[in-house]
Amino acid sequence: AQKITQTQPGMFVQEKEAVTLDCTYDTSDQSYGLFWYKQPSSGEMIFLIYQGSYDEQNATEGRYSLNFQKARKSANLVISASQLGDSAMYFCAMRPHINSGGSNYKLTFGKGTLLTVNP
Amino acid sequence: GAVVSQHPSRVICKSGTSVKIECRSLDFQATTMFWYRQFPKQSLMLMATSNEGSKATYEQGVEKDKFLINHASLTLSTLTVTSAHPEDSSFYICSANVGRDTEAFFGQGTRLTVV
Repeated sequence: AQKITQTQPGMFVQEKEAVTLDCTYDTSDQSYGLFWYKQPSSGEMIFLIYQGSYDEQNATEGRYSLNFQKARKSANLVISASQLGDSAMYFCAMRPHINSGGSNYKLTFGKGTLLTVNP
Repeated sequence: GAVVSQHPSRVICKSGTSVKIECRSLDFQATTMFWYRQFPKQSLMLMATSNEGSKATYEQGVEKDKFLINHASLTLSTLTVTSAHPEDSSFYICSANVGRDTEAFFGQGTRLTVV
């Protein structure tokens, strides 16, 4: 079974500053994928970034980067130069890698972190 | 990115009636779609995996007869909440993958209110 833990129910950051959202995971799979999604108040789920367990380099997508520490089983999201529009709920999620066998690639989500960007 | 369209975005229904929610993949074929439920200020909980041409796979604790899933084509999955009750009021959202190892694309979600 896979488990995602997000220990920060809420975070505050000043506009233009960087913020780190924590995510730790637990799995017995040898290969897996880690995702971050943003959910604004409208409810839509917006994909931000992906990290494969065998990727040697940390993933980056624009202002988003993933601090992947495999030994610690952590996959923290770093948002640089925060903007007011970044205020939203952020979910860390995990999925078995396709080569783990089977076609079951459903996502397991953490409880989320509500980020508020202050002007 | 790929587009998943979900309809309706909001629905209010009377207790005891049934509600159908549609999830369409607009520019790709999806043999598998997923249905999630989200209560206010909580995370997404997977309800079931919708498989094209075969029966859906339900997660433990989800009533199959209450949440009917039909995946009749490669681009459409439907979730029907039967005999809805106020406790079924929630945010329902679907997702699909374009390929085997890509991110999941989500529909816009449906906010169901049962009165």
